[in-house]
Amino acid sequence: GAVVSQHPSRVICKSGTSVKIECRSLDFQATTMFWYRQFPKQSLMLMATSNEGSKATYEQGVEKDKFLINHASLTLSTLTVTSAHPEDSSFYICSAPLGGYNEQFFGPGTRLTVL
Amino acid sequence: AQRVTQPEKLLSVFKGAPVELKCNYSYSGSPELFWYVQYSRQRLQLLLRHISRESIKGFTADLNKGETSFHLKKPFAQEEDSAMYYCALSRYSGNTPLVFGKGTRLSVIA
Repeated sequence: GAVVSQHPSRVICKSGTSVKIECRSLDFQATTMFWYRQFPKQSLMLMATSNEGSKATYEQGVEKDKFLINHASLTLSTLTVTSAHPEDSSFYICSAPLGGYNEQFFGPGTRLTVL
Repeated sequence: AQRVTQPEKLLSVFKGAPVELKCNYSYSGSPELFWYVQYSRQRLQLLLRHISRESIKGFTADLNKGETSFHLKKPFAQEEDSAMYYCALSRYSGNTPLVFGKGTRLSVIA
């Protein structure tokens, strides 16, 4: 089946630094990828839709200048958390759809801890 | 607005007992409904979708448009079914993001 990878799996950073998270579709091309955020014991909340070759679409309440998304190729989308703060600590998950029925394949997630 | 409701945070059943995980949705159009499962220390994976009307690992789910529900059922629970289950919705057309319910943790007791 289709595989989506994320790197790194976990990262710890100091407050004020920037962190980049990569999402790759390993065996298929994805013109669209989705970034979700999951707080402990809560559901996944959509942050933004990443579009290859165009700007990302952000959900209401998500700061586009803080969460920079770049869909550089048909297999790679990156999420950069700029000037990270402790409240940005969370589990970030990406997904990519494949096929006509919107089956989405999820990455394993990246746990970000901001000290 | 699209919304998915899973009323139970935790559901505990004995092995061999029937399981029903509830899911209700609100959406004005014709949604596509999914159940995703997350086993311990694993990523989210698709369990089933309403459009394929299939049974996966003994689970089935029927879309009831009148009651706006998509409950997940299994007649006989197994210990390996213990996991987090998420009901999700997307618009039918195109590759659109999913709206997730809050999830139900199923615990099957031996």
